[in-house]
Amino acid sequence: DIQMTQSPSSLSASVGDRVTITCRASQSITTYLNWYQQNPGKAPKLLIYAASSLQSGVPSRFSGSGSGTDFTLTISSLQPADFATYYCQQTYSFPYTFGQGTKLEI
Amino acid sequence: DVQLVESGGGLVKPGGSLRLSCAASGFAFSVYTMNWVRQAPGKGLEWVASISTSSISIKYADSVKGRFTVSRDNAKNSLYLQMNSLRAEDTAVYFCVRIYTSAPGDYFDYWGQGSLVTVSS
Repeated sequence: DIQMTQSPSSLSASVGDRVTITCRASQSITTYLNWYQQNPGKAPKLLIYAASSLQSGVPSRFSGSGSGTDFTLTISSLQPADFATYYCQQTYSFPYTFGQGTKLEI
Repeated sequence: DVQLVESGGGLVKPGGSLRLSCAASGFAFSVYTMNWVRQAPGKGLEWVASISTSSISIKYADSVKGRFTVSRDNAKNSLYLQMNSLRAEDTAVYFCVRIYTSAPGDYFDYWGQGSLVTVSS
């Protein structure tokens, strides 16, 4: 199975900050890497697919990069709605696996 | 609008069974591979099962293999998860999820609101 490791597990930041979350795969997954945002009690929401493509309707302050084993999610200027938990996910091979999550706190 | 609505969750005793349903609307259900993803209370996301458009290709997480069965009825735009021999560690919110297949990568683009399954005596 491909292991997905996110860092950090939690992050404190302020409105307006630029933040970066990293995700590392245990083997190459080319660009089969997605990022999701989840608020408490809600379903996850797709932010970035195929490592760097912005999902329709997602603000442009979100961006993704990387390929192979190392990936990043960047939020250029944090807004109050961005304080949530973020997950990376690989869909390169079964079983699909998620990172453990990064909780972004004020 | 795309909608995925799960139902069938509830409280069940260890060793018991439960069947989740997911009603899909707003898209051509029969042409999409569908998935179940779960999330234990306070924990992360875990992919559970995947079923292809014509049910030919079915995959399971090792944690549920042999106990859970995913199926679909394209005529009814519905996805199902039959869960047998339930354990306490199966307690979770179960999400019905559509996967979009694309050249640079597949991704889970639509999620249901989730259905809570609690396994406890």
